[in-house]
Amino acid sequence: EVQVVASGGGLVKPGGSLRLSCAASGINFNNAWMSWVRQAPGKGLEWVGRIKSKTDGGTRAYAAPLKGRFTISRDDSKNIFYLQMNNLKTEDTALYYCTVASTYWDQGTLVIVSS
Amino acid sequence: SYELTQPPSVSVSPGQTARITCSGDALPKKYAYWYQQKSGQAPMMVIYEDNKRPSGIPERFSGSSSGTLATLTISGAQVEDEADYYCYSTDINGDQEVFGGGTKLTVL
Repeated sequence: EVQVVASGGGLVKPGGSLRLSCAASGINFNNAWMSWVRQAPGKGLEWVGRIKSKTDGGTRAYAAPLKGRFTISRDDSKNIFYLQMNNLKTEDTALYYCTVASTYWDQGTLVIVSS
Repeated sequence: SYELTQPPSVSVSPGQTARITCSGDALPKKYAYWYQQKSGQAPMMVIYEDNKRPSGIPERFSGSSSGTLATLTISGAQVEDEADYYCYSTDINGDQEVFGGGTKLTVL
């Protein structure tokens, strides 16, 4: 059974940083593309970014408005991938989902950016 | 930036066919995926690669794509199908992935 669990959410002040983690089990992590998606309160889904498997080049892509502030990385030895968020703004407040191959999703981790 | 366009809402009676459309310029070249999100839950994939159904998804869910329009069809919609539905795809270069704005399906 595939399990995906994200963690690291919380309350942070504007301008602050936060790192989310996502652990996946029950899959061949090394071959999986991993993505982050967020959902602001009462709003739709917004793609944040993704990282390909190392076998597919390990390249990263980000939603244009977030590029430069958000960084995705992966540690295949631990079956974990990360979302580093810097210079956070109030509009980054959302439930952040991690997904494996766009198929398996976790239940989301809440990030609140507020003073 | 690339966009996918969906109708905000669709309403049908139980047993009727619901069709939700998704329009995007790159859809002739890129696959569409469909997600169902019920209130308070994480999204769940119901269609991938235009018309394939993941294991466990009822047969009443089907997908198609023609030109710049992808369509999710729910044949014989049931009350439990009430949810928000999102299409998902990539731009022509495959670098920017995007969700449509979502369609609220009401079955009553």
